[in-house]
Amino acid sequence: DSGVTQTPKHLITATGQRVTLRCSPRSGDLSVYWYQQSLDQGLQFLIQYYNGEERAKGNILERFSAQQFPDLHSELNLSSLELGDSALYFCASSRWTKSNSPLHFGNGTRLTVT
Amino acid sequence: DAKTTQPNSMESNEEEPVHLPCNHSTISGTDYIHWYRQLPSQGPEYVIHGLTSNVNNRMASLAIAEDRKSSTLILHRATLRDAAVYYCILNRDDKIIFGKGTRLHILP
Repeated sequence: DSGVTQTPKHLITATGQRVTLRCSPRSGDLSVYWYQQSLDQGLQFLIQYYNGEERAKGNILERFSAQQFPDLHSELNLSSLELGDSALYFCASSRWTKSNSPLHFGNGTRLTVT
Repeated sequence: DAKTTQPNSMESNEEEPVHLPCNHSTISGTDYIHWYRQLPSQGPEYVIHGLTSNVNNRMASLAIAEDRKSSTLILHRATLRDAAVYYCILNRDDKIIFGKGTRLHILP
């Protein structure tokens, strides 16, 4: 158990809808990362937050947004959903932003858009 | 973005050592080398990381070339549970980019 909790585990929704994925980092971790993994694809970096502030951005679509709250949990909002957004979405946390701080991943939210 | 190159797949026999290579020729002085693995239907799992010196932990060993342009993850005695995709990444304080990794097959 990594200590990172993601909810829900599974989500099925229709095109055009909006969903919110939630991540609770490991106790004491200040940094949260979001990744998208499509079928047979690698992990695509979306966005990183550190202690409530956006730290780095990857190829995140404009339809997607995220935030990290004062209690350090994070939410990833996906709107105007398309079939191609079906994927596993992983959250990871780390103690700091420093490069010797390992990432710890949750087990992901599987999103299916129909 | 910091880039690494790994073989797409490798095979090894159970109970044999496995050496998983990674090239990172554009590594800069402060980049840490991290390894993660992803078992089927799970999130990635941290394995090991290092900067310049070789590192050991209960899961594996990390051998880093003197010029730091390559590294090797060593599983000392592979088991069937080690079958996974192994990712080598460079962690440089910003967006952490994962490549496609190496799919490791373990033969019984």
